[in-house]
Amino acid sequence: AQSVTQPDIHITVSEGASLELRCNYSYGATPYLFWYVQSPGQGLQLLLKYFSGDTLVQGIKGFEAEFKRSQSSFNLRKPSVHWSDAAEYFCAVGAGSGNTPLVFGKGTRLSVIA
Amino acid sequence: GAVVSQHPSRVICKSGTSVKIECRSLDFQATTMFWYRQFPKQSLMLMATSNEGSKATYEQGVEKDKFLINHASLTLSTLTVTSAHPEDSSFYICSARDQVDRGNNSPLHFGNGTRLTVT
Repeated sequence: AQSVTQPDIHITVSEGASLELRCNYSYGATPYLFWYVQSPGQGLQLLLKYFSGDTLVQGIKGFEAEFKRSQSSFNLRKPSVHWSDAAEYFCAVGAGSGNTPLVFGKGTRLSVIA
Repeated sequence: GAVVSQHPSRVICKSGTSVKIECRSLDFQATTMFWYRQFPKQSLMLMATSNEGSKATYEQGVEKDKFLINHASLTLSTLTVTSAHPEDSSFYICSARDQVDRGNNSPLHFGNGTRLTVT
């Protein structure tokens, strides 16, 4: 069965510091991986996705993620965090069919301090 | 980009009443939409898969008679919480995938969610 683990429930970083949010997945075939961001009381916005090809993918808002098959990981990174990045971040994995839903990790809450 | 509109964004209802939540794909068609539920500070849990023109598929533990789903057109799915109870209070989010991109595992596009409070 598919599963996604986000080991860090809450992370606090200083504005301007670098960020890495961890994501590990379990999936029997080629995973399709996503990172979403959710502001309080809002829906989810897609940051980036990985389907195939280059294992380092670029997303919106300066985020990037690297797919490492050997580690079953898809960690999200940003070189310099802005206060507006404070939100909940969800990693998700999809199956191989277009009509299947995504399975989400439990999320990591990012706080940004001055 | 693809937009999913969800309405209402917030609703408060009395225990025992029913509430309908609408999910619309504004600039694309979706034969399949997904309804998720999110408890405070929790992840999204899939409730059901809504299929246009046919019955929804419910996840284990989700009462289909309580959470009625209708997917009457390629751009609209509705979730009706019947005989609501305080424990149904939650954040409900719908999502859809552009039908054209279905075969390419395109990302899900999410509505902004509905905060349901049952008093």
